[in-house]
Amino acid sequence: KQEVTQIPAALSVPEGENLVLNCSFTDSAIYNLQWFRQDPGKGLTSLLLIQSSQREQTSGRLNASLDKSSGRSTLYIAASQPGDSATYLCAVRQGGSEKLVFGKGTKLTVNP
Amino acid sequence: DGGITQSPKYLFRKEGQNVTLSCEQNLNHDAMYWYRQDPGQGLRLIYYSQIVNDFQKGDIAEGYSVSREKKESFPLTVTSAQKNPTAFYLCATSRGGATYEQYFGPGTRLTVT
Repeated sequence: KQEVTQIPAALSVPEGENLVLNCSFTDSAIYNLQWFRQDPGKGLTSLLLIQSSQREQTSGRLNASLDKSSGRSTLYIAASQPGDSATYLCAVRQGGSEKLVFGKGTKLTVNP
Repeated sequence: DGGITQSPKYLFRKEGQNVTLSCEQNLNHDAMYWYRQDPGQGLRLIYYSQIVNDFQKGDIAEGYSVSREKKESFPLTVTSAQKNPTAFYLCATSRGGATYEQYFGPGTRLTVT
C-alpha cells in the first residue's frame, strides 16, 4: 500500500529565505507526482506536476524534483514571501490506479 | 469563467438526513473525483468517474452515493449511513488518463449535528 509522508509538518521562516519541502513515498511504481497549495478553508491549487520519467519541473520561484528510485520529491521555494504562507501537499498517482495518494502536508509560515 | 464550482460552500444538516453536494465543471474534462479531507489526515478518495454513466468506488465509499448523468456534473450524496459525515469535501477533475494532473474545486464544508 502506497504511503506518502511529508516532513516537517510545519515550518516557519523569515521572508526572503530559500526553503525546501520534502515528500517521500513507499512504492516507486508511480505515474506522476503533483504538488499542491492549500490556503485555509479553500480548495487545492495545483503547483507542479512531474511525470515519472522527469527529474524536475519549474514554475517561477518554484522547483520540484523527483527521484523515483529513492521515493523522494522536494519542492524548492526561492526568495519566500508572506504570500507563500499556506499548506503544501504532495500526491502521487499510483501505477494502475486512478487515485492520488496524498501526504498530510507541510504548513508553511513566512514571517515578514 | 472556466473552472470547477462546488455548492454550497457551507452546509449544515441534522443527523439522519441525506444531503447532496454539487460539483459542476466547464473544463470539458472526462474524469471527475470526490475526496474527503479531515483535520490531520490526507485527502481520501470517495468515488471517481472516468466517463458519463460510469463510476467506481474509492477507498471510503461506504455511506456515499454518486451519479454521472452529464459530463459536466458529478453530485455526491452523503447518506444517513455515513457514520462521520462532518468533513471538508473536495471535487476534482482531470482530462483522464494517468499522465494528466487533477484540478480541484473550492470545496464544501459539511457539518452534521
